[in-house]
Amino acid sequence: AQTVTQSQPEMSVQEAETVTLSCTYDTSENNYYLFWYKQPPSRQMILVIRQEAYKQQNATENRFSVNFQKAAKSFSLKISDSQLGDTAMYFCAFMKHLTGKSTFGDGTTLTVKP
Amino acid sequence: SQTIHQWPATLVQPVGSPLSLECTVEGTSNPNLYWYRQAAGRGLQLLFYSVGIGQISSEVPQNLSASRPQDRQFILSSKKLLLSDSGFYLCAWSPGQFNEKLFFGSGTQLSVL
Repeated sequence: AQTVTQSQPEMSVQEAETVTLSCTYDTSENNYYLFWYKQPPSRQMILVIRQEAYKQQNATENRFSVNFQKAAKSFSLKISDSQLGDTAMYFCAFMKHLTGKSTFGDGTTLTVKP
Repeated sequence: SQTIHQWPATLVQPVGSPLSLECTVEGTSNPNLYWYRQAAGRGLQLLFYSVGIGQISSEVPQNLSASRPQDRQFILSSKKLLLSDSGFYLCAWSPGQFNEKLFFGSGTQLSVL
């Protein structure tokens, strides 16, 4: 079975600063995907960024980037130039390649302060 | 384009009453379908997933059941709700062949009183 651990229940950052959210996971699978999802107060799950496990290159999406360390089973999210709209709960998730079954961490509540 | 519909958005039900939550996907065929539950302040827990009509896998023992009567329809049910069934329920789908990402519905907040 897979586990996903987010060790930071809450974090805060000043607007325009950079923040990094941590995530570690445990699996015996070799082919999988890793995700960061954002859940604002509306509770809609929004995909932030996705990483294929077979790719060594770290994924980036505008202000969002990841540091994927496969051997260490670590998958952190860096948010640059933080904006007030980034305030939300962020979930790290692991997806099995064949079934699409996903395991989620317990989330990190991020507050961006003006 | 593909869309996912989930309803109702909120539901308040008494203990012991039945439950039926429905989810439908448009614009794709043969999706994998999922039901997740989110407790307050926690992550998502996978309850059921389905790779085809009539094919349901349960991930955790519980008071709930799921059915897939049509290719793009997924239903979460209970015959008698318990207080512990309260939570935020999310339906999701992934492209069945590739399963590269999940697409979520808008969720149902269920309160059992």
